[in-house]
Amino acid sequence: SQQGEEDPQALSIQEGENATMNCSYKTSINNLQWYRQNSGRGLVHLILIRSNEREKHSGRLRVTLDTSKKSSSLLITASRAADTASYFCATDARGNTGKLIFGQGTTLQVKP
Amino acid sequence: GAGVSQSPRYKVAKRGQDVALRCDPISGHVSLFWYQQALGQGPEFLTYFQNEAQLDKSGLPSDRFFAERPEGSVSTLKIQRTQQEDSAVYLCASSLAGTGRSGTEAFFGQGTRLTVV
Repeated sequence: SQQGEEDPQALSIQEGENATMNCSYKTSINNLQWYRQNSGRGLVHLILIRSNEREKHSGRLRVTLDTSKKSSSLLITASRAADTASYFCATDARGNTGKLIFGQGTTLQVKP
Repeated sequence: GAGVSQSPRYKVAKRGQDVALRCDPISGHVSLFWYQQALGQGPEFLTYFQNEAQLDKSGLPSDRFFAERPEGSVSTLKIQRTQQEDSAVYLCASSLAGTGRSGTEAFFGQGTRLTVV
């Protein structure tokens, strides 16, 4: 079963705008990861944030984690048409073998 | 190889047919995972191998699903007597770390899109 929910399910913005996606999860975690999936392709790892971290940056990506609310957000700044994809959060729950529990995903469309 | 390779990319099976999906992980990766992704959904965990040992098969939906990794490298996911509800993309992922070493990036293959007609 899915770990949690992502919000919004779909997002459409203009190139240059920022995109924010939210993820909620249910169980205690070791870490939370964000992946991108282009249509018909496999998932690409974007960023990992550990349970003892609150914020992490990678290029135009900014991830926050609030373990008290069991939620995370992914911010993509200065979006580009090439950022059009589905974005998934995935949690690596404590006691697990490293298997990932994915959310439902947010479909982002960036219009040129 | 350079990445995780899955074959075939597309498979159309008649209901009741058996299928075998192959995954070639990144060389040296200890962990291998299979996921099932239905249209418009996130991937769902099926099973996990550490080297040749299948340590977790809790996500396999029925006893028609079987996975193996006999030499700790290539893995095969077999589905017997396929049903329409088996139609999905089957993703394979590998990572360098083994059990207890969570937090290591997983590398995904392109997936095999299975359509059961």
